[in-house]
Amino acid sequence: GQQVMQIPQYQHVQEGEDFTTYCNSSTTLSNIQWYKQRPGGHPVFLIQLVKSGEVKKQKRLTFQFGEAKKNSSLHITATQTTDVGTYFCAGQRIAGNNRKLIWGLGTSLAVNP
Amino acid sequence: GAGVSQSPSNKVTEKGKDVELRCDPISGHTALYWYRQSLGQGLEFLIYFQGNSAPDKSGLPSDRFSAERTGGSVSTLTIQRTQQEDSAVYLCASSASMNTEAFFGQGTRLTVV
Repeated sequence: GQQVMQIPQYQHVQEGEDFTTYCNSSTTLSNIQWYKQRPGGHPVFLIQLVKSGEVKKQKRLTFQFGEAKKNSSLHITATQTTDVGTYFCAGQRIAGNNRKLIWGLGTSLAVNP
Repeated sequence: GAGVSQSPSNKVTEKGKDVELRCDPISGHTALYWYRQSLGQGLEFLIYFQGNSAPDKSGLPSDRFSAERTGGSVSTLTIQRTQQEDSAVYLCASSASMNTEAFFGQGTRLTVV
C-alpha cells in the first residue's frame, strides 16, 4: 500500500544549528501537510503544500514539495529550544474517493541549549 | 465547540472490560480520523470517516475494535475485551473536507491494567 517514509527518526542539535527532516512517498501525492507535536501534546497543523516544486516559509521554517510531488522537506534555520517536538508529514492520495492522510513516523527533534 | 473534543481524557480499565471513547469533531467537518499513539511512537491509523462514504476500517488492529459516526458528527470508538497492549493515547482528528488540515483533539489516554 501507499507509504510515506520520514527520516531521520531522531535528531539532536545544539541551539543555533539547522535541522532538516525529509519525507518520501511511494506514490505521487495530491498534497502534503506538516504537523508539529510538542511533548505531551497533540499534533498541530503547520502548513500544506499543493503545487509541484512549491516552497513556503514560516519565519525560520522552510517547507518544500518536490517536483514530482513525491517528496518533501522541512528545514529549520538556527534552532531554538521552542522547536523541540516531533515533526510529522502527512500526504494525501492524488485520486480516488479515499483521501485519508498517510502519515510518516515523525522526526523527534531535541535541542540542547 | 471551538475544537475537537474527546472524552474521557483518561481511562483506566481492567483487562477484559469494554471501553468507549468519544470524539466530538468540529461542527461541519466531514472527515474524521481515529489514531492510536504509543509513547514516543508515531500515529497508528485506525479508521477514517468521510461524509457519507463507507468508512476506511483498514487500520483497525482486530475485530475487538469498532467505531461509529452517528449523523455525520459524533464518533465513538469501542474496544471490547481490552488487553494490556491496547494501552495508548487514542487521538481523534477532523477536517473540513478531503483536502484540508486536520484538527486534533487532546486525546484519551487509555491504560489497561
